[in-house]
Amino acid sequence: DTEVTQTPKHLVMGMTNKKSLKCEQHMGHRAMYWYKQKAKKPPELMFVYSYEKLSINESVPSRFSPECPNSSLLNLHLHALQPEDSALYLCASSHAASGLAYEQYFGPGTRLTVT
Amino acid sequence: GQQVMQIPQYQHVQEGEDFTTYCNSSTTLSNIQWYKQRPGGHPVFLIQLVKSGEVKKQKRLTFQFGEAKKNSSLHITATQTTDVGTYFCRRGGSNYKLTFGKGTLLTVNP
Repeated sequence: DTEVTQTPKHLVMGMTNKKSLKCEQHMGHRAMYWYKQKAKKPPELMFVYSYEKLSINESVPSRFSPECPNSSLLNLHLHALQPEDSALYLCASSHAASGLAYEQYFGPGTRLTVT
Repeated sequence: GQQVMQIPQYQHVQEGEDFTTYCNSSTTLSNIQWYKQRPGGHPVFLIQLVKSGEVKKQKRLTFQFGEAKKNSSLHITATQTTDVGTYFCRRGGSNYKLTFGKGTLLTVNP
C-alpha cells in the first residue's frame, strides 16, 4: 500500500473558524510532512515530523499548528486563518527524514479556501 | 533552503515531439529527485538519481545526472497527451530542508 490519504478534500472556512486537516499513511514511514502549494507554484515545506517529533518548522505562523498523534497520523490544526492562506495543503511521507533524501509519497491534498 | 533552478518554466509541444526540462544547482547535489504533478493532482515521485553521470530510463522518459552533480535533465521522447503536467526536480541532502524547483509545465497539443 503506497497510499497517503487526506481529509477533507475541500474545506471552506471563515477567518474566525477552527478546523483540522488530517493525513494518514500505512507504509511504515517514519517521516511525515506538511506542504502548502499555491497555484502554479511548487510545494513549500511547512513542517517535518521525524519519528513523531517535530523536527522542522519553516517559520510557519502560529495559526497553523501541527500534531502527530502516532506514526501513521498527521494533523494540521487551523485557527484564525487569513484569505492569503487559501491553497492546496499537501501531506507527504517518506521512509525517514535524515541522511540521504528518500522519495516522498504525497496525499491528494486538501484544497482550502478562507473567506 | 537552497532552491534548484529549473528551465524552461513552460513548454508547449505537438504530440510526438520530444521534451526536455533542466534542473541546475550552484552547489553539488547529494541526489536529485523528479516528480510529476498532473493538473489538479498531487506530486508523484518518478525517480531518484544519486551517482555522478547516472542515466536512468523509464519507457519514454530518460533522466540524467551531470558529471559534476550540479545539474540534471528529464527528457521525454515522442510526447503523448498523458505526459501533460508539471515536472518538478527536488534536491536531496543530509538535512530536512529539501526544496523543489519551480517546475516546468508541459502542455501537449494532440
